[in-house]
Amino acid sequence: QTVVTQEPSLTVSPGGTVTLTCAAITGAVTSGHSPTWFQQKPGQAPRTLISDTNTKHSWTPARFSGSLLGDKAALTLSGVQPEDEAEYYCQLFYGGGYVFGPGTKVTVL
Amino acid sequence: EVQLVESGGGLVESGGSLRLSCAASGFTLRRAWMNWVRQAPGKGLEWVGVIKNDGGTTVYPAPVKGRFIISRDDSKGTLFLQMNSLKSEDTGMYYCTTGYSTAAHDGYWGQGTLVTVTS
Repeated sequence: QTVVTQEPSLTVSPGGTVTLTCAAITGAVTSGHSPTWFQQKPGQAPRTLISDTNTKHSWTPARFSGSLLGDKAALTLSGVQPEDEAEYYCQLFYGGGYVFGPGTKVTVL
Repeated sequence: EVQLVESGGGLVESGGSLRLSCAASGFTLRRAWMNWVRQAPGKGLEWVGVIKNDGGTTVYPAPVKGRFIISRDDSKGTLFLQMNSLKSEDTGMYYCTTGYSTAAHDGYWGQGTLVTVTS
């Protein structure tokens, strides 16, 4: 049973805004789950974009932001660029360990 | 600069064992939580386990618990993943990562090493 759920795919136009969400089947996602977001492009290792709900790393472009949206964690891409086309995974600290979501394929079209 | 370089992957028969290594540099290994994450071909990411910075507490998910062991040699700056009783479903790219918090050494991934388990 999948503990964490994400949208399977989303499409966004260049320059547009898209919000990805991350839900836990057991209830609301909170800051205690330390939501983390990763980006992976084909043939590459993943890279960490957002940690602890909304903290960016030094390499994270300013157009990426993390938040809690209702009972979910969210990753918002504002002013989307063609190079943002990728798979995005969320991760929650859950039950003493970590669980990844199944990923959201973002297409820039 | 933080760098993580995995090695040790390869072809192994079902039921066999393999030990992966991750050479870490640019930070003090014993101060970091270190993780292994894997990805089956064409599939998503799966967390394989963590070794914490509290003297070495380890945590594993159910699919690998009792078969995989994470350890580290702080003097050599190297993380290990000992994989025993391997199954075909263990096939995939294995990545070592630092922790997922906001510490200066966190958020880093290696390039991965490929493990293929044949039946």
